[in-house]
Amino acid sequence: EAGVAQSPRYKIIEKRQSVAFWCNPISGHATLYWYQQILGQGPKLLIQFQNNGVVDDSQLPKDRFSAERLKGVDSTLKIQPAKLEDSAVYLCASSLVGRAGYGYTFGSGTRLTVV
Amino acid sequence: AQSVTQLDSQVPVFEEAPVELRCNYSSSVSVYLFWYVQYPNQGLQLLLKYLSGSTLVESINGFEAEFNKSQTSFHLRKPSVHISDTAEYFCAVSGISSGSARQLTFGSGTQLTVLP
Repeated sequence: EAGVAQSPRYKIIEKRQSVAFWCNPISGHATLYWYQQILGQGPKLLIQFQNNGVVDDSQLPKDRFSAERLKGVDSTLKIQPAKLEDSAVYLCASSLVGRAGYGYTFGSGTRLTVV
Repeated sequence: AQSVTQLDSQVPVFEEAPVELRCNYSSSVSVYLFWYVQYPNQGLQLLLKYLSGSTLVESINGFEAEFNKSQTSFHLRKPSVHISDTAEYFCAVSGISSGSARQLTFGSGTQLTVLP
C-alpha cells in the first residue's frame, strides 16, 4: 500500500511570511495527525482529525497555525505569520479509526527553516 | 495524560556490542507501548510494539523490548548492533481508553551511534 505522502520536503521562508504543508494519508485511514518535531526533541502533537472533524487541537498555536481536512482525506497545515521558533520538521501521520494499538504510519515530513 | 522519559539522549556503542535504550512512562490508564526509529531525513518507522500478552516483544531486525508494569518501563535492547542501526530511537505511549488518550505521546529520543 502507498504510504503517507507529504509535500514539500523542504521549505525555507523568512519570518512573518506564510507557508502551507500538504498531507495525503493512507487510503481508508480516517484519523490524521500533524506533529511538530523540533531538532533534538520528540514529536509533539499539534492537531488530530477524525474524518474531517477536529478531535484535539489543544496544542495548536491558533493565533498563527491553522489546519483543515476537507472531505476527510487530504489535509493542509498553514502557518501565518511564521516565527523563527517554528523551524522544525512537520510530520503527518494516519491510522485506522479505533485501532490505537496498530500505531501510526508517518510521512517523511516537511523540514521548515524560518530565517 | 501520558508522558515518556528517555533517560539517555545519546548512546555511542561499538559494532557487535550489546545495547540498551531506556524508556520509562507515566500514565493514569492502561497503555500500549511503541518504539519508533528515525533514520536521517526520514519519517518515523514502527520498530516494535507491546499491546498485550507476552511482555517481551521482538522486531524483525533483532531488537527486543520488555514491558515491565511494576517499573513502568519499556527498555529496548539488541545483543549485537550493526553500523546500520545508527539512528534516533523514540519510545512512545498510547492510552488504551477511548478519545484523546489514544494519541501517541513521544519521548525526547535517543541517538544511537554505532562505531566501527
